[in-house]
Amino acid sequence: EAQVTQNPRYLITVTGKKLTVTCSQNMNHEYMSWYRQDPGLGLRQIYYSMNVEVTDKGDVPEGYKVSRKEKRNFPLILESPSPNQTSLYFCASSPSPGQASTDTQYFGPGTRLTVL
Amino acid sequence: QKEVEQNSGPLSVPEGAIASLNCTYSDRGSQSFFWYRQYSGKSPELIMFIYSNGDKEDGRFTAQLNKASQYVSLLIRDSQPSDSATYLCAQGGGRRALTFGSGTRLQVQP
Repeated sequence: EAQVTQNPRYLITVTGKKLTVTCSQNMNHEYMSWYRQDPGLGLRQIYYSMNVEVTDKGDVPEGYKVSRKEKRNFPLILESPSPNQTSLYFCASSPSPGQASTDTQYFGPGTRLTVL
Repeated sequence: QKEVEQNSGPLSVPEGAIASLNCTYSDRGSQSFFWYRQYSGKSPELIMFIYSNGDKEDGRFTAQLNKASQYVSLLIRDSQPSDSATYLCAQGGGRRALTFGSGTRLQVQP
């Protein structure tokens, strides 16, 4: 089954304790992206990757890191989480952005993160 | 910077009615536009995309694009309670792929 998976789905942690949220897709998509979703603010892009070893900042990259060592995986790293990073996080993938018919992004199930 | 604006709602319609959701965008260079549906606590799921001026129909859903006026709309015919969700408009194109609006919450009253 074609899908984007994320782990963990729920996470409660404390300020300053490093964490990683994994994202994996089995569709051989080139493009992967991380979003956070907060009430009233919609989906805001954190980082994206056009392909292996190619990553770039989105709208709200502060406090986050990513890596793309393999095409299928795109982990999100919070080196020192803070309470303002409490949010719902989505990973998404797309065949090849920039072309109308293939801009479609497929979303993972989401990770609800709480930082105390 | 691209901006996509949506009325947050809630938009309340009776079952069987037509729901009309609207979205405006700032980037005239955008080539493609998307409507996603998101149930509470779930991930967004694609309803349809449109990249030509005019209407595009898919079942009970019709997307309308007017590039001159920079707006996109989604019509849902014969609305059902199961259509109650938040609808996200997004514009695409370029390296950054999609820019989302904050969504409109739709409530279909039985």
